[in-house]
This record gives sequence, C-alpha cells and structure tokens, in this order.
Amino acid sequence: GAVVSQHPSWVICKSGTSVKIECRSLDFQATTMFWYRQFPKQSLMLMATSNEGSKATYEQGVEKDKFLINHASLTLSTLTVTSAHPEDSSFYICSAIGKWNTEAFFGQGTRLTVV
Amino acid sequence: AQTVTQSQPEMSVQEAETVTLSCTYDTSESDYYLFWYKQPPSRQMILVIRQEAYKQQNATENRFSVNFQKAAKSFSLKISDSQLGDAAMYFCAYRSWSNFGNEKLTFGTGTRLTIIP
Repeated sequence: GAVVSQHPSWVICKSGTSVKIECRSLDFQATTMFWYRQFPKQSLMLMATSNEGSKATYEQGVEKDKFLINHASLTLSTLTVTSAHPEDSSFYICSAIGKWNTEAFFGQGTRLTVV
Repeated sequence: AQTVTQSQPEMSVQEAETVTLSCTYDTSESDYYLFWYKQPPSRQMILVIRQEAYKQQNATENRFSVNFQKAAKSFSLKISDSQLGDAAMYFCAYRSWSNFGNEKLTFGTGTRLTIIP
C-alpha cells in the first residue's frame, strides 16, 4: 500500500509555544488529507479535512486559529498547534487519500505533550 | 451527516475461534465506501478490509470477511481462526463515494478485541 510519513512521532513543548506536525505522502499524490485527534482508548476525532491548494474545512468545535492546517502541495500537509496548552496534549494522526485511492492511508501519529 | 456506531466496546475470543464485530451506520447517500481498520498497540492504523456500497458481494480478505447489509445499514466484520496478532482496537469507518472538496472519513467508537490463548 501507499506510504504516509508523519513527523515527529513525539514532541514535548512548553505552554505558549507552537509546534508543527508534518504529514507527507511518499509515493502518491494526496488530493485530500485528514487530521485526527485521538484521546487514550478512544476513537479518532476528525479535526479537519484539507484539499491541496484550498483552505481546510474544520469540524464543529475545532478552533481554526489554534490548529492551523496547510496543504500546500499534493504530498505535504502540516498541522500547527499554536500557543499550546496542556489540554492540547494528545495523539494526532494524519491520513491521506489519492485521486485513485479508495482507502485512506495513515501516518504513524504524533504524541504531543505540552508542559 | 454520516454517523458510525459500534455497539461493542470490548470483545474477547478464544484463539482459533471465530468472532464477529458489529457496525451500523447512518447515511442518506447511495454510494459510499466502508472500511474496517485495525489499531494495534503501536497505534498505526492498518486497513483490514473494504467494501464498496455498489457491490452486492461481501468482501473477503483471507481470515477476514464482512457481512454487508445495505438496506439495514449494517457492516459487520468476521474474523475466523483468531490469532494472537489479531488483538487490537478495531474501527469501522465510512467514506463518501466521491465528493471532491467535501470528503469525510468518519470512524466509529471502536471495539477492543482480546484474544485468549
């Protein structure tokens, strides 16, 4: 299957700082990328959907000014958590779909800890 | 909006036995995709099986098969000859057929499967 690389796999940052998470499709062009947040022992909560070259569509309740999503190319999407707070600590997962794909391919996830 | 429901938070099965995980969904669309993903302790999401709604035949992948009942909006996963490596969290997921610019991939709440040696 296709490969999606997410980086970093874990990050610790101080409250008030910003952190960027990258999601790359390595061997296909990702027309759509999804960003999820997953709390321990819970499901994947969709945060936003991004299409290459256009603004991301955020789910209700997700602060777009806090979780900045950029999908500048067909192989890269980034999620920036701005002014991070301890409550932003979570596991973030990206996934990508190519034009000719049926299923989504997932990155390895990023564990964010805000101290 | 589409919703996906998994009514079994936890299931357990004896090794080599068969287990069925339930999933129901709600949609007004006629064409869509359904998936079962597996999330082991590593937390890497792995596709188990997929089903296109327009196909009447149930999908099968080795020991994994589905029972797709479109009218009932039901999509259960059967795991035969359960193995220790099958232990994981299983998520049912729904994707719209093709609505570029308005894609969503929605997940159920998950079922934690334990394999008893």
